[in-house]
Amino acid sequence: RKEVEQDPGPFNVPEGATVAFNCTYSNSASQSFFWYRQDCRKEPKLLMSVYSSGNEDGRFTAQLNRASQYISLLIRDSKLSDSATYLCVVNRGADSWGKLQFGAGTQVVVTP
Amino acid sequence: DADVTQTPRNRITKTGKRIMLECSQTKGHDRMYWYRQDPGLGLRLIYYSFDVKDINKGEISDGYSVSRQAQAKFSLSLESAIPNQTALYFCATSETGSYNEQFFGPGTRLTVL
Repeated sequence: RKEVEQDPGPFNVPEGATVAFNCTYSNSASQSFFWYRQDCRKEPKLLMSVYSSGNEDGRFTAQLNRASQYISLLIRDSKLSDSATYLCVVNRGADSWGKLQFGAGTQVVVTP
Repeated sequence: DADVTQTPRNRITKTGKRIMLECSQTKGHDRMYWYRQDPGLGLRLIYYSFDVKDINKGEISDGYSVSRQAQAKFSLSLESAIPNQTALYFCATSETGSYNEQFFGPGTRLTVL
């Protein structure tokens, strides 16, 4: 079983619609959770950290469910520029600060 | 100028050749990392360094070596390149701390024939 699993997609989303997807992780000792965005074959960039209470950044909302070991990302009012691959990233536990485990990514395609 | 730079950006080499990928950063971060990315797989950690005197193997270090020449420079070497090392390689940096965002370089596309 992969440490971090994501639905690869693609999620085809009409412009203006809402899209949501999850990521599951296997290490119950993980402490830090992130969503990164990666445009085609470019470097990943941090989209947002995911906090226990859930957090929102503009049109993006991230949730953490520790009991079921998954995190989610919701994008509202999708823009064409949201087309990208979204990487779920989890640290490897309390004694592994800085060591991150990356999911393979969920591709989102926003269409006009 | 980019905070994290990688050279070369693209490289084609032959099996058995030694090759070095270089990474430089101007962010002043102590921590530096090398990852590789293959289609359908997440980024996988090759080596990481938490300061100039600290070098650690990641999950896929076989066939690779690194050198931390200075706080700002971290190079990755393939001693004898093989075709399954064809991948996109990223260098990253971060500050010390738990919620430590990693900042990535633009990547090096390496092809081993």
